[in-house]
Amino acid sequence: QKEVEQNSGPLSVPEGAIASLNCTYSDRGSQSFFWYRQYSGKSPELIMFIYSNGDKEDGRFTAQLNKASQYVSLLIRDSQPSDSATYLCAVNDNDMRFGAGTRLTVKP
Amino acid sequence: NAGVTQTPKFQVLKTGQSMTLQCAQDMNHNSMYWYRQDPGMGLRLIYYSASEGTTDKGEVPNGYNVSRLNKREFSLRLESAAPSQTSVYFCASRMGLRIDEQFFGPGTRLTVL
Repeated sequence: QKEVEQNSGPLSVPEGAIASLNCTYSDRGSQSFFWYRQYSGKSPELIMFIYSNGDKEDGRFTAQLNKASQYVSLLIRDSQPSDSATYLCAVNDNDMRFGAGTRLTVKP
Repeated sequence: NAGVTQTPKFQVLKTGQSMTLQCAQDMNHNSMYWYRQDPGMGLRLIYYSASEGTTDKGEVPNGYNVSRLNKREFSLRLESAAPSQTSVYFCASRMGLRIDEQFFGPGTRLTVL
């Protein structure tokens, strides 16, 4: 059984701080990794994907991947109240698997 | 370009009733997926179709059947609904390449009494 694990939170950070979200996965052969954001009552929407070891930056978001440790993370810099949502980590094989999500609250 | 559409948006069933959830995409995607989302459980894969004409079980297939009617459409059927199937159901699609994202439909909120 392929597992994707996330700390369910809730994670609370003040506005302007860095939020750090973590994800581990069990299948060493997994190739690509995705971070989705989901607002309450809405569908998930893609923030970033990563498939090479190291960091990938897109605006205020940085994804980090360490395949040896089977670990992927998402950093959100200068967090804003509008970033308050549930963040879902997904691991791609043919059957995209999701973690349970981490609920982030950014307090003004 | 509507993306991924799902019908119905809301549904209430009685235990033992059957129903089919419809999903369609207009992005010429090869792969389609059905997930359920329960509070605190994240998205759990029910079934997926990697390409037209194929379907495979996901993590939680029991109590469900699927049909990949054509490249655009992927339906999910509950033959005999149970209260444990109360959930929000999401359909998603993607081209099927290694790094392409999934696009999600708006979801169907199903309650089984």
